[in-house]
Amino acid sequence: AQSVTQLGSHVSVSEGALVLLRCNYSSSVPPYLFWYVQYPNQGLQLLLKYTSAATLVKGINGFEAEFKKSETSFHLTKPSAHMSDAAEYFCAVRRQMDSSYKLIFGSGTRLLVRP
Amino acid sequence: DSGVTQTPKHLITATGQRVTLRCSPRSGDLSVYWYQQSLDQGLQFLIHYYNGEERAKGNILERFSAQQFPDLHSELNLSSLELGDSALYFCASSPRQGPTEAFFGQGTRLTVV
Repeated sequence: AQSVTQLGSHVSVSEGALVLLRCNYSSSVPPYLFWYVQYPNQGLQLLLKYTSAATLVKGINGFEAEFKKSETSFHLTKPSAHMSDAAEYFCAVRRQMDSSYKLIFGSGTRLLVRP
Repeated sequence: DSGVTQTPKHLITATGQRVTLRCSPRSGDLSVYWYQQSLDQGLQFLIHYYNGEERAKGNILERFSAQQFPDLHSELNLSSLELGDSALYFCASSPRQGPTEAFFGQGTRLTVV
């Protein structure tokens, strides 16, 4: 069954530094992968998604992620962190169940941005 | 704004009580998903409805039930509440059965005291 693992529950970067949030997936079929962001006291907002088209996916707010089948990874990056990027980030994979699909989420990575 | 509306935003209730959480999906979306977010369990899928029919169940307790009405809004009913049911409950909607893109509401924070 499909699953995702996020490495690092907390990541701290300086403002202007590269952001790298790691996600590895497990799937026996071509996966559909997602990154969501959750700001404090907010719902989840879709950052980007991979649906087997281009391996480099660009999302909102300057984020992008690269699907690497050989490494079973879908890491999220942003060249230059901004204070407003401080939030919790979730990687997710779509899993089929019965006649439906559901999103399986990783445990989340909290991004801290230092001034 | 995702277009998914959840009410109420906050709910405080006592153990043993019953509550109803409401979700209005984005206009035109037929699928509604319910998720529970807690510190110890993370984001857990509860149940999926598509166009009024239950399509999949996840880790949903027997004390919990849901339904989707003809106007496509959904309600999650939680009964015989326990302290451990305190969590954020999210609703998400998508146009079709499979979430190629799921839009989340802002959640209902349930506190059981």
